[in-house]
Amino acid sequence: DAKTTQPNSMESNEEEPVHLPCNHSTISGTDYIHWYRQLPSQGPEYVIHGLTSNVNNRMASLAIAEDRKSSTLILHRATLRDAAVYYCIPANRDDKIIFGKGTRLHILP
Amino acid sequence: NAGVMQNPRHLVRRRGQEARLRCSPMKGHSHVYWYRQLPEEGLKFMVYLQKENIIDESGMPKERFSAEFPKEGPSILRIQQVVRGDSAAYFCASSPKTGYNSPLHFGNGTRLTVT
Repeated sequence: DAKTTQPNSMESNEEEPVHLPCNHSTISGTDYIHWYRQLPSQGPEYVIHGLTSNVNNRMASLAIAEDRKSSTLILHRATLRDAAVYYCIPANRDDKIIFGKGTRLHILP
Repeated sequence: NAGVMQNPRHLVRRRGQEARLRCSPMKGHSHVYWYRQLPEEGLKFMVYLQKENIIDESGMPKERFSAEFPKEGPSILRIQQVVRGDSAAYFCASSPKTGYNSPLHFGNGTRLTVT
């Protein structure tokens, strides 16, 4: 399993962009990079995933470094509802989705 | 489309009783995953099932815990002779194919309290 390193916590102001970093230097060439989040008292929620190219969806953007050893989840305009724990998870065909400690994101009004 | 349905939302059991947690995956999803989250801790993988088959149960405690996903009906996580340490939130997720390239859709969990 690829190891990941994420900040324990981050703060951002409401209505500003947020960049959540993740280091995954031991990732293999076939690992997809997944991001999930968990809001308080709820189940985890899928955010986005990608392999090599940057990815966009209605929730966020995923920027993957060219060497794939790191990635950044971008929330373009944070709201109070984005306060959650964000998990960066590399996974390949033989892996299940394994959650680490994640980054607790605080949004300041 | 209905999401992943878990019931009950809250379950209270006395020590030694059995707990049965149910998970109905999203329509068309044949892959089910169970996770456990102890208070103030992270999510731990327990078991991965496809219809009628256990694919990976490496996260399941060796005793008292079992899971099934029958051809018809919901997936069931069964905990026999519950102990206080089993108190946790149990989350189920489903996907249409293996989760490495497919989003997992999670339910809102069953919160088990053992008294």
